[in-house]
Amino acid sequence: DGGITQSPKYLFRKEGQNVTLSCEQNLNHDAMYWYRQDPGQGLRLIYYSQIVNDFQKGDIAEGYSVSREKKESFPLTVTSAQKNPTAFYLCASSISDEQFFGPGTRLTVL
Amino acid sequence: GQNIDQPTEMTATEGAIVQINCTYQTSGFNGLFWYQQHAGEAPTFLSYNVLDGLEEKGRFSSFLSRSKGYSYLLLKELQMKDSASYLCAVLSFYKLSFGAGTTVTVRA
Repeated sequence: DGGITQSPKYLFRKEGQNVTLSCEQNLNHDAMYWYRQDPGQGLRLIYYSQIVNDFQKGDIAEGYSVSREKKESFPLTVTSAQKNPTAFYLCASSISDEQFFGPGTRLTVL
Repeated sequence: GQNIDQPTEMTATEGAIVQINCTYQTSGFNGLFWYQQHAGEAPTFLSYNVLDGLEEKGRFSSFLSRSKGYSYLLLKELQMKDSASYLCAVLSFYKLSFGAGTTVTVRA
């Protein structure tokens, strides 16, 4: 089945550690996105990539990094510079205007 | 910048109709999406409006007025499974900007 996968669903890390969240899609979509969702707030764009080997900062990129070496994969690294990393992280992809979302990873930093 | 407003919460009775309003002020406009999101899950697509007017899809309808910066999502014949958060999102220059979401609670 075609779709977007994010793993793991729940992730726990100690403060000060970097952590990488995976996002894989087999929809053959060119564009991929990372969002963060906090309680009572809308999704906020962290990074996006419209094509392989190219990506742009979104609205809240500080403390995060990404890579886009393959069309199918767009991993997000949450670095120790991110002051409030505990959140629900959603990955999405698109080939036209509509974005399709993965199931999300809930990251908790202890 | 983008400013997208929608009510925080709404409650309705099973079988009733609920209308969720969304107002927006954005630099550039390519279209407006409505997504449904159950707690802890991914948003799922409901509707997409590019031109002014009403789009109907079964129990769900969405309306857009670009000149007023206004949209609404209409949910008819409410069912318990419609209890969820509904997200209004504006597409501008390939990027989606989301409102905070409206939590709809359907009561028996």
